[in-house]
Amino acid sequence: GDSVTQMEGPVTLSEEAFLTINCTYTATGYPSLFWYVQYPGEGLQLLLKATKADDKGSNKGFEATYRKETTSFHLEKGSVQVSDSAVYFCALRQGGSEKLVFGKGTKLTVNP
Amino acid sequence: SAVISQKPSRDICQRGTSLTIQCQVDSQVTMMFWYRQQPGQSLTLIATANQGSEATYESGFVIDKFPISRPNLTFSTLTVSNMSPEDSSIYLCSVTGTGGYGYTFGSGTRLTVV
Repeated sequence: GDSVTQMEGPVTLSEEAFLTINCTYTATGYPSLFWYVQYPGEGLQLLLKATKADDKGSNKGFEATYRKETTSFHLEKGSVQVSDSAVYFCALRQGGSEKLVFGKGTKLTVNP
Repeated sequence: SAVISQKPSRDICQRGTSLTIQCQVDSQVTMMFWYRQQPGQSLTLIATANQGSEATYESGFVIDKFPISRPNLTFSTLTVSNMSPEDSSIYLCSVTGTGGYGYTFGSGTRLTVV
């Protein structure tokens, strides 16, 4: 079945460092891909999405490009802030289904 | 996007008892979902709550253990029945409006079974 694999956390960075969180997926067809973020004590929020190959999703300085050839959707940010400390989830949705399949999540801590 | 109020935010329950979690949305939504997030694990879909009909359960989840109600387009409940410590998890309500991409999640219910 469909699955999502994220890099193991936790990830600890200093403020203004470059961030990459790797995400690869296994799915048939052409799923839509998502990054969700969960700040401490809050629910999941959609960070960005991409619906077809080579699409780039972006929001709040974060970017991810849908790479079908490598079945990847890595999350990047050029300069992280303390306020970016959260858990990040990669997810996919198969066409014709409303079900989201999530990765295990990666906890990011940014120190001042 | 929709705003979800999920209650309770956390609870500690005795094994063998049941807990009902409520999910209230501030607008009518097409689909509502219930997820479980076990400690250190990913989110797993329990079921899709359908308005006016029985919920659709994912493999490994059954109605007797997780009965769901969806009386209208803005409200749903999930009951965790006959609880055991293995049911200790975060339970999240999620909704989607039109288009299928606008998933919104509640803040979750952190359940501990002792």
